[in-house]
Amino acid sequence: SQQGEEDPQALSIQEGENATMNCSYKTSINNLQWYRQNSGRGLVHLILIRSNEREKHSGRLRVTLDTSKKSSSLLITASRAADTASYFCATDATGGGNKLTFGTGTQLKVEL
Amino acid sequence: DGGITQSPKYLFRKEGQNVTLSCEQNLNHDAMYWYRQDPGQGLRLIYYSQIVNDFQKGDIAEGYSVSREKKESFPLTVTSAQKNPTAFYLCASSIAAGGPSNEQFFGPGTRLTVL
Repeated sequence: SQQGEEDPQALSIQEGENATMNCSYKTSINNLQWYRQNSGRGLVHLILIRSNEREKHSGRLRVTLDTSKKSSSLLITASRAADTASYFCATDATGGGNKLTFGTGTQLKVEL
Repeated sequence: DGGITQSPKYLFRKEGQNVTLSCEQNLNHDAMYWYRQDPGQGLRLIYYSQIVNDFQKGDIAEGYSVSREKKESFPLTVTSAQKNPTAFYLCASSIAAGGPSNEQFFGPGTRLTVL
């Protein structure tokens, strides 16, 4: 089952702008991870945030987690054309057996 | 040069045939996973393995089979029982089994088309 649902499904912005993607999930989690996928390629891990963390940064990426609302957001600051990709959240459900459940993804297009 | 590889990149199959997709990793990871991705969709888990000689069904295991005879290899067979096998197949691995999930490392994928 798809636990994570990303919003929006698609996002188009200009280079230099910030991009925000949201993820909602349904059950309690150990951690939530964000991945990036370029068209026709494998996924690349971006960042992992644990259930007891509220915010995490990595370079131009900022992730927040609100376990009371069962939601997370990924912010990409000062976007570049090379950030064009699909972004997926993935949840590690408590008692889920060391496996991830992926959301449906947000397609980000950054235009010059 | 460590990583996870999948072969072939493109695979064509006639209806009624079984095909096997290869996945190899030299990262010394315990856990390995197979996902299916349909156009514009997220990933759905087919099978996963926490340790050699053991594997579990994921959300959409019907019509698929796997083996884990070696730590570095986790081949996936798409059988003729899979009703709609045309899809992009992704293999992944992670460092440890048990406990909270760690980062998963993905291969480049195999695109399977049934003719």
